[in-house]
Amino acid sequence: GDSVTQMEGPVTLSEEAFLTINCTYTATGYPSLFWYVQYPGEGLQLLLKATKADDKGSNKGFEATYRKETTSFHLEKGSVQVSDSAVYFCALTTDSWGKLQFGAGTQVVVTP
Amino acid sequence: NAGVTQTPKFQVLKTGQSMTLQCAQDMNHEYMSWYRQDPGMGLRLIHYSVGAGITDQGEVPNGYNVSRSTTEDFPLRLLSAAPSQTSVYFCASSPDSQGATYEQYFGPGTRLTVT
Repeated sequence: GDSVTQMEGPVTLSEEAFLTINCTYTATGYPSLFWYVQYPGEGLQLLLKATKADDKGSNKGFEATYRKETTSFHLEKGSVQVSDSAVYFCALTTDSWGKLQFGAGTQVVVTP
Repeated sequence: NAGVTQTPKFQVLKTGQSMTLQCAQDMNHEYMSWYRQDPGMGLRLIHYSVGAGITDQGEVPNGYNVSRSTTEDFPLRLLSAAPSQTSVYFCASSPDSQGATYEQYFGPGTRLTVT
């Protein structure tokens, strides 16, 4: 079946550091890929998405490129802020109804 | 526009008790779903609905029932609570049944503890 693998956390960074969270996937179909973010005590919010190979999703300084050849969708941000501290989930769907398959989540902690 | 709302925010149950987690959305979304979030496992789909009167099972449906009598509401029922159902439960909705490229909107979650 479909699956998503993300790097384990927590990832601890200093403010203004570069952030990368690796995400790879296995899918029988042709998936759409997503990054969701969960701030402390809240539900999940869509951060960015990509629906076809070589698409780049971007939002709030975060970027991720859909790489079909490496089945990856790594999340990057050039300069993190304390407010970026959250749990980040990589997810995919190959289903016409959009059912999501999530990775385990990566906690990111940014210190001043 | 309240988005997706869930009640209660916190709940403690004893083993064997039943309860209903409420979920409502005011965005006229066709697609609604329930996930549970457990440490190290991400979110796993419990049940979903593609419209009023239509529901189907997700990855982990055992011990849970759902119904969808209106577009707005999608309650999740725990029939006989077990400690393994201790988790955080999220409801989500999407604006179209062809949801592959549409954003899913999540509620704030219900933290359930079964003792």
